[in-house]
Amino acid sequence: SQQGEEDPQALSIQEGENATMNCSYKTSINNLQWYRQNSGRGLVHLILIRSNEREKHSGRLRVTLDTSKKSSSLLITASRAADTASYFCATGLTGTASKLTFGTGTRLQVTL
Amino acid sequence: NAGVMQNPRHLVRRRGQEARLRCSPMKGHSHVYWYRQLPEEGLKFMVYLQKENIIDESGMPKERFSAEFPKEGPSILRIQQVVRGDSAAYFCASSPAPSTDTQYFGPGTRLTVL
Repeated sequence: SQQGEEDPQALSIQEGENATMNCSYKTSINNLQWYRQNSGRGLVHLILIRSNEREKHSGRLRVTLDTSKKSSSLLITASRAADTASYFCATGLTGTASKLTFGTGTRLQVTL
Repeated sequence: NAGVMQNPRHLVRRRGQEARLRCSPMKGHSHVYWYRQLPEEGLKFMVYLQKENIIDESGMPKERFSAEFPKEGPSILRIQQVVRGDSAAYFCASSPAPSTDTQYFGPGTRLTVL
C-alpha cells in the first residue's frame, strides 16, 4: 500500500477559508515534502520538513510533523481560487537516498 | 539556468509500438529519477540512475521497460510494445547528489496509448 495516505481525498472550500490536509505514513523518514500539482501539469515543490523538525512556515503555508504519530498536516490560510490543485505529500525514507514515496493526494477546490 | 527538461510533452502511441521519453537534467546534476503517475493517483518511483549506471530499479516493471543515462546526452526511458495500461504521465527529476531533499522535477511527458 502507499507509504503516504492523504486525507481528505477531496476538499471544497470558499475563498478566504483555511484548508487543512493530512498525510500519514508507515515507516521511518528522513524528511517529508509537500507538492502542488495543477490539473495536467507538473509538480511544484511547496515545503520540506525534516524528521527532527515539528513545524515550518512558508508564506500562507504551515506544515507540521508528528513523527510519533507518523503524520503531517498542511494548512493553507486565507485560500484563493488559484490554490485549486491537487496536493501530495512525499516522504524520503530512512536508508534510501534515492526515491521519494508519494501519497495519493488531496484535490482542493477553492470557489469564489 | 534551465530546469529539468522533458520531451516530448505529449506522446501518442498505438498498442505494440515503442515509446521513448527523454529527460535532460539540470546543469551539473548527474542523478536522475523517473516516476510514473497513473490517472487520479500519486507518483510512483520507477528507477534511479547516475551517469552510465542504474542504481535502483526497484520500481520498474520487469518487462518492456528500460532506462539509461549515457555519459553524453539525456536520460531515456524506453517502453517497448506499449499497452493501454502504460498510459500515464512520466516525470523525471534530477539532483546534484543522491538525495531525496533536492530532487527537481520536470514538467512530465503524458503518454497516451490508443
